[in-house]
Amino acid sequence: QKEVEQNSGPLSVPEGAIASLNCTYSDRGSQSFFWYRQYSGKSPELIMSIYSNGDKEDGRFTAQLNKASQYVSLLIRDSQPSDSATYLCAPTGGGNKLTFGTGTQLKVEL
Amino acid sequence: GAVVSQHPSWVICKSGTSVKIECRSLDFQATTMFWYRQFPKQSLMLMATSNEGSKATYEQGVEKDKFLINHASLTLSTLTVTSAHPEDSSFYICSARDPATTYNEQFFGPGTRLTVL
Repeated sequence: QKEVEQNSGPLSVPEGAIASLNCTYSDRGSQSFFWYRQYSGKSPELIMSIYSNGDKEDGRFTAQLNKASQYVSLLIRDSQPSDSATYLCAPTGGGNKLTFGTGTQLKVEL
Repeated sequence: GAVVSQHPSWVICKSGTSVKIECRSLDFQATTMFWYRQFPKQSLMLMATSNEGSKATYEQGVEKDKFLINHASLTLSTLTVTSAHPEDSSFYICSARDPATTYNEQFFGPGTRLTVL
C-alpha cells in the first residue's frame, strides 16, 4: 500500500464547475496536511493547509479532512483554466517531513 | 507568504564535474530545509533533511558522499552534486520550513534544472 494515494487523472472539468480532488494516506500519526499546486516545469506552490477534522475554506478552495477515514480532499469552486495543474497531497510525518502522493492532474476546459 | 530562492535556476555541466545549488529563505529563518529531486512525470522524492548547524539526514538510497549538503546559516543551505553523471540530470528543489507558521509549513524554491552531458 502506498503511503499517499491519489488518482493520477487527468481529471477534466468544464470552466466554472467544481473540481474535487481526493487523497488517502496510511500514516495515522500524520497531524498536518497540505495541498500543493504544481504547474508543468515549475516547483510546488502551497495552496492549503489543514490540521483539524472538518472543512477549511480559503477563497475558491476548500480542504476537507477526516482523520478517522485517513482521507483528505480539496474542492476548487468556479474552476478556471489557470487552475489546470497537478495537485499534490502531502501529509506531514516524522521530523516534519512531507510525504507526497503522485498528484492528480487537473484540466479545466473552456 | 514565505519566499525561498534557489540559484542557479538551471545548469548544464560535463560529466565528472561538481555542481553547487544554493537555497535561501529570504524573509524568514529556516532551521530546517529539505532537498528533493523530481524526474519527469514523477512525484517529488525527498533526498535529505538539512538542519542548521548539524549534519544532514539522508533518505534511504541517497548517497551522502555524492550529494553533499551544508546548512551553514539560518537562511542558506547548499547541495553539491559531486562527480555528476548523466543519470543525475533532474529537477532539484529545496524547501524551507517556516517555524512561525501555524502548521510549520514548507515553502518551495523555484527549483534548479540540472543537465549533465
